[in-house]
Amino acid sequence: TAGITQAPTSQILAAGRSMTLRCTQDMRHNAMYWYRQDLGLGLRLIHYSNTAGTTGKGEVPDGYSVSRANTDDFPLTLASAVPSQTSVYFCASGDVKLAPPYEQYFGPGTRLTVT
Amino acid sequence: GEDVEQSLFLSVREGDSSVINCTYTDSSSTYLYWYKQEPGAGLQLLTYIFSNMDMKQDQRLTVLLNKKDKHLSLRIADTQTGDSAIYFCAGKTGTASKLTFGTGTRLQVTL
Repeated sequence: TAGITQAPTSQILAAGRSMTLRCTQDMRHNAMYWYRQDLGLGLRLIHYSNTAGTTGKGEVPDGYSVSRANTDDFPLTLASAVPSQTSVYFCASGDVKLAPPYEQYFGPGTRLTVT
Repeated sequence: GEDVEQSLFLSVREGDSSVINCTYTDSSSTYLYWYKQEPGAGLQLLTYIFSNMDMKQDQRLTVLLNKKDKHLSLRIADTQTGDSAIYFCAGKTGTASKLTFGTGTRLQVTL
């Protein structure tokens, strides 16, 4: 099984441009998440979705938007990129209806550089 | 929200034990986790402990939880070069599915 796939693997983006990071899972998990990873700051939650059709803001949502039209896909959009959005972005999925420990499964990440 | 803190770096010799520490602020955390991130990859669950436990052992891994001090540790016995990675602690509270991750500790294993 593929688990979680993310695209692209890496991207260089000019400031002011928009971009959508794609995330697809094949595990039929209800919940999906977007994190950014920055040195010394660990993983910070950007947005999440507990089920298709709903989304919520995480710790650092400004400058990002998400949608959850179906169970499998959870795209993250940067409407007008800024250099501070240079980071590695991870998508994850999980399901509290499953047995403990309610593991989150992570994609391989997208490395984004905003110049 | 919850804060989870870790030291940034740990270096150990191959064969020695490694101890990675984590402190958290939310005493209502129900599950606490250790995730491992190998270079260039996403995170994978390494082990976890339920909040009503003090210790959990899984082969070379020992997790200790001190709820009074809000302190979580991961001990890796007989550390190998393949253990070189970034280790994140994380906490889950209540019925929410969200996790709060620590800053990550980079473990370097030297020969």
